[in-house]
Amino acid sequence: AQTVTQSQPEMSVQEAETVTLSCTYDTSENNYYLFWYKQPPSRQMILVIRQEAYKQQNATENRFSVNFQKAAKSFSLKISDSQLGDTAMYFCAFMQAGTALIFGKGTTLSVSS
Amino acid sequence: DAGVTQSPTHLIKTRGQQVTLRCSPKSGHDTVSWYQQALGQGPQFIFQYYEEEERQRGNFPDRFSGHQFPNYSSELNVNALLLGDSALYLCASSLVGRDIENYGYTFGSGTRLTVV
Repeated sequence: AQTVTQSQPEMSVQEAETVTLSCTYDTSENNYYLFWYKQPPSRQMILVIRQEAYKQQNATENRFSVNFQKAAKSFSLKISDSQLGDTAMYFCAFMQAGTALIFGKGTTLSVSS
Repeated sequence: DAGVTQSPTHLIKTRGQQVTLRCSPKSGHDTVSWYQQALGQGPQFIFQYYEEEERQRGNFPDRFSGHQFPNYSSELNVNALLLGDSALYLCASSLVGRDIENYGYTFGSGTRLTVV
């Protein structure tokens, strides 16, 4: 069975700094998709960034980028120029085509001024 | 364009009772997935409905059942509630065969269920 591990329960960063959230996963499949979701106190899960496993290039969305290491089964999220609004719980998630999303336990990120 | 709507927002039930949670998917979506999120944990997949049938199921007991209606809305039913069923229940909608993997799912804000 596929598993997703987030080893950092909590992270803190100052505004404008850069922070990296870690995620590892376990699968024997070759084709799959990886996501980072943000869950603010409003509880709604918001898609931050996605990565297709068959793509070598790391995905980037504005201040958010990933470091996808397929051989190492690692998928970290880098947030540049952190803002107060980035304060939230962040979940790494894995999915194969046609199957459900599998989430990690999450990392609580606190951004302070 | 309305997103995913869940009702009620909060609910308190007594151990042993039954509860029904409701979800209206995003306009244009035809698939609904339900997740249970315990406090401080990641969401756990309960099941997914498509074409009014349960398409996939996670590791949850039969006390958890669901239904999907012709308008794609869905209900999650939990019987014989246990204290451990206290959690945030999230509904997510998607469109089968159409960029699921590219765009992931659209989530609702959840129903907070407390069992006392």
